[in-house]
Amino acid sequence: AQSVTQLGSHVSVSEGALVLLRCNYSSSVPPYLFWYVQYPNQGLQLLLKYTSAATLVKGINGFEAEFKKSETSFHLTKPSAHMSDAAEYFCAVSRGSQGNLIFGKGTKLSVKP
Amino acid sequence: DAGVTQSPTHLIKTRGQHVTLRCSPISGHKSVSWYQQVLGQGPQFIFQYYEKEERGRGNFPDRFSARQFPNYSSELNVNALLLGDSALYLCASSPGGTSGRHEQYFGPGTRLTVT
Repeated sequence: AQSVTQLGSHVSVSEGALVLLRCNYSSSVPPYLFWYVQYPNQGLQLLLKYTSAATLVKGINGFEAEFKKSETSFHLTKPSAHMSDAAEYFCAVSRGSQGNLIFGKGTKLSVKP
Repeated sequence: DAGVTQSPTHLIKTRGQHVTLRCSPISGHKSVSWYQQVLGQGPQFIFQYYEKEERGRGNFPDRFSARQFPNYSSELNVNALLLGDSALYLCASSPGGTSGRHEQYFGPGTRLTVT
């Protein structure tokens, strides 16, 4: 069975500081991995995806994530946080290219001025 | 191009009632999935449809049903509503088939409140 664990339900950083949101996955088959962002009272927006190509994936808004098979991790990073990055972030895994998404519980990112 | 659209935006129902939620996918997308997001949790998979056929079903009771129409739009139906059905219901579309594209694009959701 596939699963996703997001470490830290709430992360707080200062504006301009490094953002690191952690995601570990469990999958019996090569996974497809995704990061989504959700702003209050909105749907989910795709930030980036890993689909077995390059292990370092670049997404929108300056975010990137690195797939590490040995650590079963897919952590999300951004070098310099901006106030507009404050939102909830979800890591998700799917079984195969057409499979449904299994989400983690989410990490709420706060950015202090 | 328009993204995934969902209607209605908000809905208030009473226990025991029935509800129908609607979703229109991105133009050209043939696969539609439904997710339930309870406050403070990640979305949970309910159904996936491709070319009008059910391709997957999550761990939800038979009170939940869905269908996909020839124009690829979809409906989610929930019967005999319970207080625990209160949630944000998200629809997602993806190209599906052999497009080679794996990402799902989400709509803004329908906020269902059951009283």
